[in-house]
Amino acid sequence: GESVGLHLPTLSVQEGDNSIINCAYSNSASDYFIWYKQESGKGPQFIIDIRSNMDKRQGQRVTVLLNKTVKHLSLQIAATQPGDSAVYFCAENIRDGANNLFFGTGTRLTVIP
Amino acid sequence: DAGVIQSPRHEVTEMGQEVTLRCKPISGHDYLFWYRQTMMRGLELLIYFNNNVPIDDSGMPEDRFSAKMPNASFSTLKIQPSEPRDSAVYFCASRDVTTGAHYFGPGTRLTVL
Repeated sequence: GESVGLHLPTLSVQEGDNSIINCAYSNSASDYFIWYKQESGKGPQFIIDIRSNMDKRQGQRVTVLLNKTVKHLSLQIAATQPGDSAVYFCAENIRDGANNLFFGTGTRLTVIP
Repeated sequence: DAGVIQSPRHEVTEMGQEVTLRCKPISGHDYLFWYRQTMMRGLELLIYFNNNVPIDDSGMPEDRFSAKMPNASFSTLKIQPSEPRDSAVYFCASRDVTTGAHYFGPGTRLTVL
């Protein structure tokens, strides 16, 4: 859904544990989803994407799961490291001819050494 | 590729002054987006271009804001006159024509005193 940026959910995990960050998207017509990582003082960095014809996609240490029935997206980070500490955004692209993305509020992940 | 390039990285100016932010998208990308990020409102889409043509500027807050894309490798966002409430981080992003993924620049942190 569109970002409102007022209250940022937070997640704290121990180094080495797995992290799961969740996102509820708003539009059932969305056909493409992206997870971004934003470190302090930097721009959002592309992590992984998934199209609506898939329900799972894996990258290096990251997995994205898509549940279209409940309009839910999750990002799983395996063996979380201190360098994973950042704000994570999900973004959806609505299949309406436009090509802009709608960003979620973001989740702040803090990794405890 | 060097990624999306933005300049300047930091800009401090006084109220009433003109500010020009610059962006060089990734070569071959077909869309260019300007976003603004603040703590209160998160990421906001201001305007986007397709093949150098402005498509949607409905996110531009006021007539004080204008954007141009004279060619495929350069875009500017201008604020004239600037006001303290324009203080934010401004991001430029370009879209991979093959995947649809958006790649962000490092941002310009604007402070208007």
